[in-house]
Amino acid sequence: KAGVTQTPRYLIKTRGQQVTLSCSPISGHRSVSWYQQTPGQGLQFLFEYFSETQRNKGNFPGRFSGRQFSNSRSEMNVSTLELGDSALYLCASSSGTQPYNEQFFGPGTRLTVL
Amino acid sequence: KQEVTQIPAALSVPEGENLVLNCSFTDSAIYNLQWFRQDPGKGLTSLLLIQSSQREQTSGRLNASLDKSSGRSTLYIAASQPGDSATYLCAGTSGGSYIPTFGRGTSLIVHP
Repeated sequence: KAGVTQTPRYLIKTRGQQVTLSCSPISGHRSVSWYQQTPGQGLQFLFEYFSETQRNKGNFPGRFSGRQFSNSRSEMNVSTLELGDSALYLCASSSGTQPYNEQFFGPGTRLTVL
Repeated sequence: KQEVTQIPAALSVPEGENLVLNCSFTDSAIYNLQWFRQDPGKGLTSLLLIQSSQREQTSGRLNASLDKSSGRSTLYIAASQPGDSATYLCAGTSGGSYIPTFGRGTSLIVHP
């Protein structure tokens, strides 16, 4: 079974631009979660989508948004990029049917904002 | 609200040692506790998942235990190898949430 895939793996953008990241979950998984990881803040939860609906949301500004498609693939968008948005963005998939379902992570997208 | 703490933050040991990594959580009504490994700049690899009804799980040289009453989980690594060098994170899910709460991780270096 193929794992979680994320594209692109690396991105370099400048302040003020916007960016879209993509995540394809494990086949059959309906939940996709997004995390931001930085050395200073660790792993911070952005949002979770389940069956095309945002089910949970972390404490990030509205510049961070996401969506999920009918095939469970998810995209995350960041508008008006700031230097502080430079981070490793990780997505995780799970079946999402129970709170104790195991989480599987993708390799991440490294975003650098100049 | 679940809080997860990992001690120590960093650990350096010689090859061959048996180690214990600690993970503490505040909400004992935990659904599961998952241990991950992360290599620098990479994603998280799931190592072991312990459900609330279980006491421990084993995979090769790794053994993870869960004690809900004391709010602790430990990851035991037997006969450590340089390839075990990585950051180890634990995450607990509780309180009706589908979102796990992560610790800050323990950075492990195993030197030859």
